[in-house]
Amino acid sequence: DIQMTQSPSTLSASVGDRITITCRASQSISSWLAWYQQKPGKAPKLLIYKASSLQSGVPSRFSGSGSGTEFTLTISSLQPDDFATYYCQQYISEWTFGQGTKVEIK
Amino acid sequence: EVQLLESGGGLVQPGGSLRLSCSASGFTFSSYAMSWVRQAPGKGLEWVSALSGSGGSTYYADSVKGRFTISRDNSKNTLYLLMNSLRAEDTAVYYCAKDRIYSSEPSNFDYWGQGTLVTVSS
Repeated sequence: DIQMTQSPSTLSASVGDRITITCRASQSISSWLAWYQQKPGKAPKLLIYKASSLQSGVPSRFSGSGSGTEFTLTISSLQPDDFATYYCQQYISEWTFGQGTKVEIK
Repeated sequence: EVQLLESGGGLVQPGGSLRLSCSASGFTFSSYAMSWVRQAPGKGLEWVSALSGSGGSTYYADSVKGRFTISRDNSKNTLYLLMNSLRAEDTAVYYCAKDRIYSSEPSNFDYWGQGTLVTVSS
């Protein structure tokens, strides 16, 4: 089974900050990685697929990069609506999520 | 507009059974694989099961293999999850999710339902 590890688990930041979340796979997953945003009591929302492709309707301040085993999600200028929990997901071999990164207000 | 609406959650005793449903609209249901994903209270996301568009291929997480059965009725645009031998650790919000693409290429999920809560407790 492929394991996904995110870091950090919690990130404290301010509006306007540039932030980066890292996701590591236990083996190569090529570019078969997605990022989701989840707010309390709500379903996850797809942000990025195939490591770097922006889902339709998602603001361009979100970007993804990486391939193989190491990936990043970057928010170029954090907005009030971006405080949420973010999950990475591999989908080359069934589906596995990272444990999540909570982005909180500093 | 794609919509997914889960139902069937509730309180069940350990060892009991429950069937979840996910009613889909706004897309050609039979063309897309579908999945169930769960989230225990205060915890992260866990993929549970997936089913191809035709219903011919099924996939299960080890944690539910042999206890849960995924199925679909394409004439009713509905996905199901039959859960038997339920345990306390199955307590979670269960989401249904739609594959983003329909092809042989690996796919993630682009639409999710609002979730239905399953509580396993005596």
